[in-house]
Amino acid sequence: QVQLQESGPGLVKPSGTLSLTCAVSGGSISSINWWNWIRQPPGKGLEWIGEIYQTGNTNYNPSLKSRVTISVDKSKKQFSLKLSSVTAADTAVYYCASSLNAFDIWGQGTMVTVSS
Amino acid sequence: QSALTQPASVSGSPGQSITISCTGTSSDVGGYNYVSWYQQHPGKAPKLMIYEVGNRPSGVSNRFSGSKSDNTASLTISGLQAEDEADYYCSSYTTSSTYVFGTGTKVTVL
Repeated sequence: QVQLQESGPGLVKPSGTLSLTCAVSGGSISSINWWNWIRQPPGKGLEWIGEIYQTGNTNYNPSLKSRVTISVDKSKKQFSLKLSSVTAADTAVYYCASSLNAFDIWGQGTMVTVSS
Repeated sequence: QSALTQPASVSGSPGQSITISCTGTSSDVGGYNYVSWYQQHPGKAPKLMIYEVGNRPSGVSNRFSGSKSDNTASLTISGLQAEDEADYYCSSYTTSSTYVFGTGTKVTVL
């Protein structure tokens, strides 16, 4: 069974770049699944950030597209998120998830706070 | 893209059935059978409960069922149990090759 684990800094300064990595274990990152990033601000709902396929093809939320980059490193079995020019509004729990028309496997989530 | 519309809260007594609606547009819910539902307990990651409108993943209770009519999808929980108390989110694929989530519904077991 595939497992996902997010990692990265828990605190990012305003105007900086948020960088997170999701490690894939128990399965192949080169499967037919897409690999996603989803976030949830404290006390609020879920927001889809974007996805990447093993080939490097990506799709992004239009509201975040100008600031988001998702990449995949098949040799390390991981995929990554970079979100630039962050503000307090980007403070959230960030989840990585796999999908094949639905988000079937989720990481435990990692809290990222944007603050000076 | 706008979030799909869900009721903020739904409640029911143990053993009862409740239904949560998820309203979108012809560009998302109405355009594809890629509607899914997630259960989230406090402090936990969401869990997939229904995929492709009405399919249950292995291990999910058959008390959970999904359906869709035009631009509105629905999740029904029958035989409501205390453990069903959680937040529920719908999600849909869209014509822009993106995904959108619902606003979320808090289910309370009275």
